[in-house]
Amino acid sequence: SQKIEQNSEALNIQEGKTATLTCNYTNYSPAYLQWYRQDPGRGPVFLLLIRENEKEKRKERLKVTFDTTLKQSLFHITASQPADSATYLCALVPYGNKLVFGAGTILRVKS
Amino acid sequence: EAQVTQNPRYLITVTGKKLTVTCSQNMNHEYMSWYRQDPGLGLRQIYYSMNVEVTDKGDVPEGYKVSRKEKRNFPLILESPSPNQTSLYFCASSLPGGAGGYTFGSGTRLTVV
Repeated sequence: SQKIEQNSEALNIQEGKTATLTCNYTNYSPAYLQWYRQDPGRGPVFLLLIRENEKEKRKERLKVTFDTTLKQSLFHITASQPADSATYLCALVPYGNKLVFGAGTILRVKS
Repeated sequence: EAQVTQNPRYLITVTGKKLTVTCSQNMNHEYMSWYRQDPGLGLRQIYYSMNVEVTDKGDVPEGYKVSRKEKRNFPLILESPSPNQTSLYFCASSLPGGAGGYTFGSGTRLTVV
C-alpha cells in the first residue's frame, strides 16, 4: 500500500542547533515533494518544493534533500529558534494536482 | 493580499441540518481542494476541482458535496451532517500542477452534535 511516513514522535532540540525532519514514502513515484509548516488550529503554510530531478533545495535557513532511490526527503532548519516550533508536513504530488500529506512531525525548539 | 478565505471559522450544528462552508480565493487559481484534518489521521482530501464545472472525489468524499460555478469559489456542502463529520476543514488552491505550492485557508472547525 502507499504510505508517507514522518517521525510520529516530537523532535525536541535546543535553540541554535540544526533540526532534521524525515519523510519516507513507499509505492509512490512523485513528480515532486513539498514541505509545509502548520501552527495549531491554522492552515498549513507552503515552505519549499523539490522536484524529482533535484537533490537539494535551500531557502534562507531551510534546506530540503530528495533521494528518489531511498524514497526519502530530509528537511533541515539551521540555527533553529523557538519561533520555528510548529508541526512540519511533508506532501507528495504523485500525479496531476493531487497532494498527499504525511501526518506531520512536531518540532519544539527550546531556548 | 493573496489569500484563501473560508467561512465560518467555527460552526456548531445539529445532526441532519444542512450546512455550507464557503471558500474563496483571489489568486485566479484553477485548482481548488477541500481537506479534513483529524488527530492521528492527518490531512485527507475530500473533493477537488481542476477548473470551473470540473470536480472530482478525493479520498473521503462520502457525506459531502461541492460545486464550482465560478473560478474563485468552491463551497463545501454537508447535506445531512453527522457527528463523524466533526473535524477541522481546510480549503486550498494552487496553480495547475501545484508547482508553486498550495495556499490554504485558515480552517473551519465544525462540530456536529
